[in-house]
Amino acid sequence: NAGVTQTPKFRVLKTGQSMTLLCAQDMNHEYMYWYRQDPGMGLRLIHYSVGEGTTAKGEVPDGYNVSRLKKQNFLLGLESAAPSQTSVYFCASSSLAGTPYEQFFGPGTRLTVL
Amino acid sequence: SQQGEEDPQALSIQEGENATMNCSYKTSINNLQWYRQNSGRGLVHLILIRSNEREKHSGRLRVTLDTSKKSSSLLITASRAADTASYFCATALSGTYKYIFGTGTRLKVLA
Repeated sequence: NAGVTQTPKFRVLKTGQSMTLLCAQDMNHEYMYWYRQDPGMGLRLIHYSVGEGTTAKGEVPDGYNVSRLKKQNFLLGLESAAPSQTSVYFCASSSLAGTPYEQFFGPGTRLTVL
Repeated sequence: SQQGEEDPQALSIQEGENATMNCSYKTSINNLQWYRQNSGRGLVHLILIRSNEREKHSGRLRVTLDTSKKSSSLLITASRAADTASYFCATALSGTYKYIFGTGTRLKVLA
């Protein structure tokens, strides 16, 4: 099992450009999450999904959109990137089975917006 | 901010010593979790303690939870250089999956 994978690993954007980050999990987990991590701020929840076709806002959703068209994939979109969105983005998934609430994290995407 | 607070922000100890880090949170919770993050990597789940538990052990890890004070502590006994990492607590608002992570404690274990 690959677990949780994220694409791309690094990206540099110019202000105003758009991009999509892809998260994929092969553990058949129901729940998926997108976080951003800034220095000294820990992780902050952007959006999350409790199942295919459903999404919900987290703590810092502004400037981001998400979609969960397939159970194994969770996409994070930036329509018009801003320097304030420079961060490391982590995707995570969890399941109701096994150990509920335990989140499995991907390796992260480092995004720089110039 | 809804984020929890952890202290200390940074901790440096010698191999073999114990490391204690604390987490405070602001809301009612179902459970509290601790995660480890090695530099440049994703987080790894360490241990979960439910709101009706006061103490839990897993190998060299000991977690306590005081819901009246909205605080938790993580103790790593007989630390090793490989324990060098950042440690985060995480809670979810009761009845939700909106997770809130603490600001983290950076632990450095010197060989």
